[in-house]
Amino acid sequence: EVQLVESGGGLVQPGGSLRLSCAASGFTFSSYWMHWVRQAPGKGLVWVSRINSDGSSTSYADSVKGRFTISRDNAKNTLYLQMNSLRAEDTAVYYCARDQDYGGNWGGMDVWGQGTTVTVSS
Amino acid sequence: EIVLTQSPGTLSLSPGERATLSCRASQSVSSSYLAWYQQKPGQAPRLLIYGASSRATGIPDRFSGSGSGTDFTLTISRLEPEDFAVYYCQQYGSSRFGQGTKLEIK
Repeated sequence: EVQLVESGGGLVQPGGSLRLSCAASGFTFSSYWMHWVRQAPGKGLVWVSRINSDGSSTSYADSVKGRFTISRDNAKNTLYLQMNSLRAEDTAVYYCARDQDYGGNWGGMDVWGQGTTVTVSS
Repeated sequence: EIVLTQSPGTLSLSPGERATLSCRASQSVSSSYLAWYQQKPGQAPRLLIYGASSRATGIPDRFSGSGSGTDFTLTISRLEPEDFAVYYCQQYGSSRFGQGTKLEIK
């Protein structure tokens, strides 16, 4: 079964750090670009970051640039999001998602994890 | 940077009716790079449509996508009770999502 399972969320004080993990199974993780998407309570989906299949290229939303770092370990089939200098506005459910590609044609984000909750509060 | 605007914000319909949801881009978007998602409360989003009009695996054929340039549409031909949810469009280049349309039972 194709699956993504996030972990690492929790309560952290403003200015603190947290590292999220996303364990992939049931597919060849190293062949896929991956994303982090977040959703603040009662709000819409916001794209956070993406990484290419071998980890050599990354991009970030302006709101997290310089504070968050996406990475991956293809040997461990795991995606990461290192979050530093956390702010109250980073409070959200964080989802990892797989980017589907059909021979150069984008196929959307076709597999999602269940999400992990990050709360930034003193 | 391309901004996606979805309308209406909330759509109230009854089961069996037809739903038409709009996603308008601030600049022209390649049809290949437009996707739609469904999200129910407490659940992760689910991919419905990619490439503006291709249904994802397992998606019923009552869901269809269309459009080009700056105007895209998600149509649900006959609403089933399980279709009431929030729907988002997304553009590939910036990975940005629209703000969502809530489809609620009238």
